[in-house]
Amino acid sequence: KNEVEQSPQNLTAQEGEFITINCSYSVGISALHWLQQHPGGGIVSLFMLSSGKKKHGRLIATINIQEKHSSLHITASHPRDSAVYICAVKDFGNEKLTFGTGTRLTIIP
Amino acid sequence: DTAVSQTPKYLVTQMGNDKSIKCEQNLGHDTMYWYKQDSKKFLKIMFSYNNKELIINETVPNRFSPKSPDKAHLNLHINSLELGDSAVYFCASHPGGPETQYFGPGTRLLVL
Repeated sequence: KNEVEQSPQNLTAQEGEFITINCSYSVGISALHWLQQHPGGGIVSLFMLSSGKKKHGRLIATINIQEKHSSLHITASHPRDSAVYICAVKDFGNEKLTFGTGTRLTIIP
Repeated sequence: DTAVSQTPKYLVTQMGNDKSIKCEQNLGHDTMYWYKQDSKKFLKIMFSYNNKELIINETVPNRFSPKSPDKAHLNLHINSLELGDSAVYFCASHPGGPETQYFGPGTRLLVL
């Protein structure tokens, strides 16, 4: 069974700062998802990646398969980025996602 | 226009009652899921259906019974509700392959 750990659990930063959220997992995976959960509760899938790096606007996600580690970066952070960011990994051979406990990000104007 | 919709959005009920939550997706995806998010905001998969067939059934009490009348719908029926069933239930769909999942808005269930 995969164990997924995220760090930090909580992160508060000033607007404009560069943000990094980390995710580590214990067993080889077929893919990793980054999700964003807004204060209102809605969940949006940001990225799914199985190797390398993906970029969407100010968001960048990277994954190192050998080290079983992924990072989510936010450049030029903005108060609207305040949310819980959740890492989830997909095991080989099935559709099951195992979730991390999330990182609560607060960006102060 | 909503891609994945759930009804109801809120559900308050007494212990012992039976209730259903409905999910519909208009994306043409083959795979749908039910997830439970507990009071500590931890998400956990409950069920997954692919083209109306059950493919994942986690260790969920058999009071929970999913039903997929067609591949656009995945409903969740809960019998004999207990206090511990209070949570937010999210439906999601997936097109398969290296694509992201699409989540519904969630159904907040409170059992009194």
